[in-house]
This record gives sequence, C-alpha cells and structure tokens, in this order.
Amino acid sequence: ETGVTQTPRHLVMGMTNKKSLKCEQHLGHNAMYWYKQSAKKPLELMFVYNFKEQTENNSVPSRFSPECPNSSHLFLHLHTLQPEDSALYLCASSQVFAGLYEQYFGPGTRLTVT
Amino acid sequence: SQELEQSPQSLIVQEGKNLTINCTSSKTLYGLYWYKQKYGEGLIFLMMLQKGGEEKSHEKITAKLDEKKQQSSLHITASQPSHAGIYLCGAAHSGGGADGLTFGKGTHLIIQP
Repeated sequence: ETGVTQTPRHLVMGMTNKKSLKCEQHLGHNAMYWYKQSAKKPLELMFVYNFKEQTENNSVPSRFSPECPNSSHLFLHLHTLQPEDSALYLCASSQVFAGLYEQYFGPGTRLTVT
Repeated sequence: SQELEQSPQSLIVQEGKNLTINCTSSKTLYGLYWYKQKYGEGLIFLMMLQKGGEEKSHEKITAKLDEKKQQSSLHITASQPSHAGIYLCGAAHSGGGADGLTFGKGTHLIIQP
C-alpha cells in the first residue's frame, strides 16, 4: 500500500450505532488530520494530530471521537450520529518541520447516517 | 462570508482551450495549496505556493501567488478531458506547526469535446 489509505470506503449506519473509520499513512509523516466534506459546503477541518498529540479540535461535537495510537494510524470513532453527519470524511497526513509542508489526502469514507 | 472565495463556481470549457480559476483569501496567507478532486473521491495534491510572486507548473497547469492581493490563480493550458474535476484551493494561515487547511468551495470544471 502506498500513500494514505482509508477504510471502509462506504459506511451506512443508524443513529444508534457505533462505528469507527480508519486511516493509515505509509509516507513516514508525523501529522495526521480528519476533514469533513458535506454537500455544498467547503471542506472542514475536524481534528489535527501532531506526533500523536491532538493539537486542534475544531469545535467538533463529542459524538465524533478521534484516536491516534501512533504516527501512522488515525481513527475516528462514531456514536449516536445525526443524519446531518452524512458526508465524505477525508484523512490527510503531512511531514511537519518548520514552515509549509505538503498535505496528502486519502480517498475518503462516504458515510450515510439513516 | 467565506474565508476563501473561489471563482468561478463552475466552468465549461471546450477541449483545447485555456482557462483560469481564482482563489482569494480574506485573511493573511502563509501558503496556498491547489488540489484536484474527482467527485466523491480524495484530493490529489497539485501545487503548494508560499512566497509572493511564486509560480509553479506541473504539466499544463500553472499556479501563481499574489501575496499583496492575497490571491492565487490556477491556469490550465490546452485543456484535456483528463483535466475535468473539482479544483480546490486550501490556505495555511500560519506556518508554526501541523495546522490544518481552510478550503474554498471548489470550482467544477467540465471539458467539452
């Protein structure tokens, strides 16, 4: 596997379910991100992990719970979601030094909440 | 109002023609990224610009950064069907760490044969 991978690619869940999204980066990067892309809205940053430490939580509801066990893996745990949470969830990674850095994205997980 | 405004929202261009997409930030830019996205898929990294006046090219795609105007343009020369997709600009407003990016709404590009 190369680049950034995400599983599953598609997920349908009920509002009472608990599920997790997985992201893995094979680029040797030290920072990982979750973004949400809803219809007709710009891509929104959700969480940032830098060296496994969460450095940003962009006012995301607590029904979304991130986990970063190591610099290569990132999870997004989902519980009691709402239909408006249906969206494409994108994971990204970058190698952070000082200044700017290229940020690479995975293919996304299409989530539908019923 | 949006932090990053992209224009146009959509664009239909005849194959072989040139086109330009613009991205303007309402906040100070530290860096500007361009990505391409096929519908429902991940983002493909195109270019990253940091310095005012910087210009980068990749195949037939050229991007420029006008730091004074807080603006970037993406220019495609002799467009091809493979250029069709959604073009997104993303902004970094600081460079002090693993900051996430702020994105525009995207420009939908359709190439007509």
